[in-house]
Amino acid sequence: QKEVEQNSGPLSVPEGAIASLNCTYSDRGSQSFFWYRQYSGKSPELIMSIYSNGDKEDGRFTAQLNKASQYVSLLIRDSQPSDSATYLCAVNTGGFKTIFGAGTRLFVKA
Amino acid sequence: ETGVTQTPRHLVMGMTNKKSLKCEQHLGHNAMYWYKQSAKKPLELMFVYSLEERVENNSVPSRFSPECPNSSHLFLHLHTLQPEDSALYLCASSQDGGQGIDSEAFFGQGTRLTVV
Repeated sequence: QKEVEQNSGPLSVPEGAIASLNCTYSDRGSQSFFWYRQYSGKSPELIMSIYSNGDKEDGRFTAQLNKASQYVSLLIRDSQPSDSATYLCAVNTGGFKTIFGAGTRLFVKA
Repeated sequence: ETGVTQTPRHLVMGMTNKKSLKCEQHLGHNAMYWYKQSAKKPLELMFVYSLEERVENNSVPSRFSPECPNSSHLFLHLHTLQPEDSALYLCASSQDGGQGIDSEAFFGQGTRLTVV
């Protein structure tokens, strides 16, 4: 069983729409959750971190965490073509072990 | 330009060669990592160093040998690699608050390794 699961996509949304990216994880004791964006041929860059249940907003991005359901999501409002990338969900399962999902490819159509 | 610099950016090596990847972080962090990213696979954690001590070795073959001489530098020494080791190798750093990783990791641009 995969420890961090994401739909590989591609997820295609029109420009200006809301993109919704989802992630589930298996370790119920996980405490730290991250979303990274990775453009093709580039390294991952952190977008959001979230540690407690509920929503966390930063500009056009909102991270949502539900520990009871072992579910974390990322919403991108007013999606732009420049948001087209692979989004990686990462979960810290304790100590120094951060597990990454395989990523969801997002394509924003102009 | 990120605060984590990796060299070289690209490397082609034969299976009998010995080479080293270098990572330097300018962020004042005290934890550094090596990750492997293969096509269509999740990022795989290879090694973690905290305060220059190795704290995680994720069942990595001995043909990969890490070295962390100080909190700003991290090396990955490579020898007798296999073609399946071809991948993007990413270095990252973070600030360890003493309880493992709660803080975010910042990645270097990676070394694209091809083993022929």
